[in-house]
Amino acid sequence: DSGVTQTPKHLITATGQRVTLRCSPRSGDLSVYWYQQSLDQGLQFLIQYYNGEERAKGNILERFSAQQFPDLHSELNLSSLELGDSALYFCASSSGLAEQYFGPGTRLTVT
Amino acid sequence: AQTVTQSQPEMSVQEAETVTLSCTYDTSESDYYLFWYKQPPSRQMILVIRQEAYKQQNATENRFSVNFQKAAKSFSLKISDSQLGDAAMYFCAYRSGRGSEKLVFGKGTKLTVNP
Repeated sequence: DSGVTQTPKHLITATGQRVTLRCSPRSGDLSVYWYQQSLDQGLQFLIQYYNGEERAKGNILERFSAQQFPDLHSELNLSSLELGDSALYFCASSSGLAEQYFGPGTRLTVT
Repeated sequence: AQTVTQSQPEMSVQEAETVTLSCTYDTSESDYYLFWYKQPPSRQMILVIRQEAYKQQNATENRFSVNFQKAAKSFSLKISDSQLGDAAMYFCAYRSGRGSEKLVFGKGTKLTVNP
């Protein structure tokens, strides 16, 4: 158990819908990272937050957004969902050292 | 941009034997970190081992060790005394030592352990 929690574990929704994925980092970790794992693209970095502020952006679509709240949990919002958004979405956290610890992921299926 | 290449999509090993997974990377940076992550069928991403580029000594974690060749930009993972529980996808990852903290992953190697 990495100490990073993600909810829900599974999500099935229809095209055009909006969903919110939630992540709670390890106790004391200020950085949260979101990654997408798909068969086509592999594991790709989406976005990083540090203590409530956006720090880095990767290959994140404009339909996707994220935020980190004062209690350090983070949410990834995916809107206008398309079939191609079906993937495993990971959250990871870090204390500022190099290692990132991953949550169990949320499997999103868009039908 | 940094890239990570894992040239072996699949590997297999007999239980109790040793196997080496390959990883090469491309970067112009001198300060960086390299990692191996394990992803078993549960899909959880588990950190196996890390290596700092400035350290000449190869990292070791129990049965897992790396062969870090900085000049060749090579970072292989050796698993000794393979166990059935080692069966998983293994991902090599790169992180810059300055600036971006994102992990750049290879496409992974699927390791099968035969009893």
